[in-house]
Amino acid sequence: RKEVEQDPGPFNVPEGATVAFNCTYSNSASQSFFWYRQDCRKEPKLLMSVYSSGNEDGRFTAQLNRASQYISLLIRDSKLSDSATYLCVVNRVKAAGNKLTFGGGTRVLVKP
Amino acid sequence: DTGVSQDPRHKITKRGQNVTFRCDPISEHNRLYWYRQTLGQGPEFLTYFQNEAQLEKSRLLSDRFSAERPKGSFSTLEIQRTEQGDSAMYLCASSPSRAGGDWEQYFGPGTRLTVT
Repeated sequence: RKEVEQDPGPFNVPEGATVAFNCTYSNSASQSFFWYRQDCRKEPKLLMSVYSSGNEDGRFTAQLNRASQYISLLIRDSKLSDSATYLCVVNRVKAAGNKLTFGGGTRVLVKP
Repeated sequence: DTGVSQDPRHKITKRGQNVTFRCDPISEHNRLYWYRQTLGQGPEFLTYFQNEAQLEKSRLLSDRFSAERPKGSFSTLEIQRTEQGDSAMYLCASSPSRAGGDWEQYFGPGTRLTVT
């Protein structure tokens, strides 16, 4: 079983609609969580951190459920520019450094 | 541009050849990471440095792979006797080190390796 699992999609989303997807992680020792965005053939870029209380950044809302070991991302009022692969990332902090563990990504296609 | 840079951006090599990639992190970042990404997958951790010390290596990093960061600034990743299975995007990331841990890693544009 992969340490971080995501639905690969694609999620085909009409422009202006809301889309949400989850990611599950297997290691209960994971301490921090992120969503990264990756455009085709580009490097991953940090979209947002995920806090225990849930957090919002503009049209993006992230939630963490430690009991069930999943995180979610919701995108409201989808824009064409939101089309990308969204990577779920967990981090198990060690004394001397951090190793990010990535999910395989969820592909989102926003269409006019 | 003060972001993470990688060189070359693309490398095509024949099986059995050695290749070396370079990563220049953000200047004030003392942590540097290497990841590998294949098509349709998320990046996989390879190794990480704090300053010049290599502190962790993944089991993915076979003995054909070696990474260095001799002066705690730029890093190199060498692959010896390349195999077709080494074809991937090699990503470098850097982060600062702050009390209580540091969370945000900034990625370079990657080096895409094709082994023929």
